[in-house]
Amino acid sequence: AQSVAQPEDQVNVAEGNPLTVKCTYSVSGNPYLFWYVQYPNRGLQFLLKYITGDNLVKGSYGFEAEFNKSQTSFHLKKPSALVSDSALYFCAVRPLLGSARQLTFGSGTQLTVLP
Amino acid sequence: DAGVIQSPRHEVTEMGQEVTLRCKPISGHDYLFWYRQTMMRGLELLIYFNNNVPIDDSGMPEDRFSAKMPNASFSTLKIQPSEPRDSAVYFCASSLALGGGSARGAYNEQFFGPGTRLTVL
Repeated sequence: AQSVAQPEDQVNVAEGNPLTVKCTYSVSGNPYLFWYVQYPNRGLQFLLKYITGDNLVKGSYGFEAEFNKSQTSFHLKKPSALVSDSALYFCAVRPLLGSARQLTFGSGTQLTVLP
Repeated sequence: DAGVIQSPRHEVTEMGQEVTLRCKPISGHDYLFWYRQTMMRGLELLIYFNNNVPIDDSGMPEDRFSAKMPNASFSTLKIQPSEPRDSAVYFCASSLALGGGSARGAYNEQFFGPGTRLTVL
């Protein structure tokens, strides 16, 4: 069975500083990895995904994520945080050709960007 | 495109009443998912459809829950009778098949609706 770990429930960062939200995963076969963001009282919003190819994936709103196969990690990064980035972030993984039942979400990391 | 549309956005009902949640997926999407989100359990997949056909309903908590997708542009999630422990935010999401193929489960990223916040008193 696949699993996702987001080791930090809460991440605080000052506006303008770089941010990292951590994610490690376990899956059989090749992973299909996602990051989603959830703003208060809203649904999850897709940020970026990794299927194959370049280990550095660029997504919406200036976010990027680095796939590291040896460390089974897929950390979300942004060079300069904005207050508006404050939200709940979810990492998700599934086997590349697995069923929808196999899509597993992490527990979420609350990012707070301080002005 | 307006994205995934859900209604109502908020529902407050009394225990024992029937509740129907509605979803309109993004036009052209092959897959539709129903999730439930609570603080205690996080995001749970209840059921999903591929081309209007229910594929996996193993996440539906009890027989009180049922879901239908009569056509490609509409789905419902019904709870009858409702109980206080059903209180949660219910999300609908849709996605395209991966690579345009027909392999079940091979789908792209999901697009979520705004959710229905259900409170059962």
